[in-house]
Amino acid sequence: AQSVTQLDSQVPVFEEAPVELRCNYSSSVSVYLFWYVQYPNQGLQLLLKYLSGSTLVESINGFEAEFNKSQTSFHLRKPSVHISDTAEYFCAVSESGGYQKVTFGTGTKLQVIP
Amino acid sequence: ETGVTQTPRHLVMGMTNKKSLKCEQHLGHNAMYWYKQSAKKPLELMFVYNFKEQTENNSVPSRFSPECPNSSHLFLHLHTLQPEDSALYLCASSQDGGNYEQYFGPGTRLTVT
Repeated sequence: AQSVTQLDSQVPVFEEAPVELRCNYSSSVSVYLFWYVQYPNQGLQLLLKYLSGSTLVESINGFEAEFNKSQTSFHLRKPSVHISDTAEYFCAVSESGGYQKVTFGTGTKLQVIP
Repeated sequence: ETGVTQTPRHLVMGMTNKKSLKCEQHLGHNAMYWYKQSAKKPLELMFVYNFKEQTENNSVPSRFSPECPNSSHLFLHLHTLQPEDSALYLCASSQDGGNYEQYFGPGTRLTVT
């Protein structure tokens, strides 16, 4: 069975500082990996995803994540955060093979401090 | 309307009430999901429907009853709930296959008194 671990429940960071949100997964087969973001009073929105190919994937708002198979990680990074990045971020994994079951991590709350 | 919509956005109900949550997707997807989001717990998958057929029931108590009349609509019927059922209930949809991202609605904040 697949699982996702997000060790940091909260990450405070000053505006314009870099940030890394950690995600590790466990699976016995090939996986697809996702990062979702949830702003207050909203549902989750896809931020970026890794399916295959280049291990570095980017979002339109400056986030990037790198798939590291040997370390079973998919950490999310941004070189300079903005106040508007304050939200909860969820890492998710699904096993390749055509089934839609996605397992989510417990989430990391990113608090950007002015 | 675009995307995934959910009604109502907020619901307060007593333990003896019967209510229903509604979800509608306007994306042409063929898979729909119900999730429960509680504080400090992982997002819990409750039910999955694929082409209107239930393909996943994640050991959900029978006081939650899903209904999927077509690929665009999904309901969650609630009866004799417990206070610990208070949570944010999220609906999502996607194309078939684990490589497709899920699109979420804004959720229904449920409080059971």
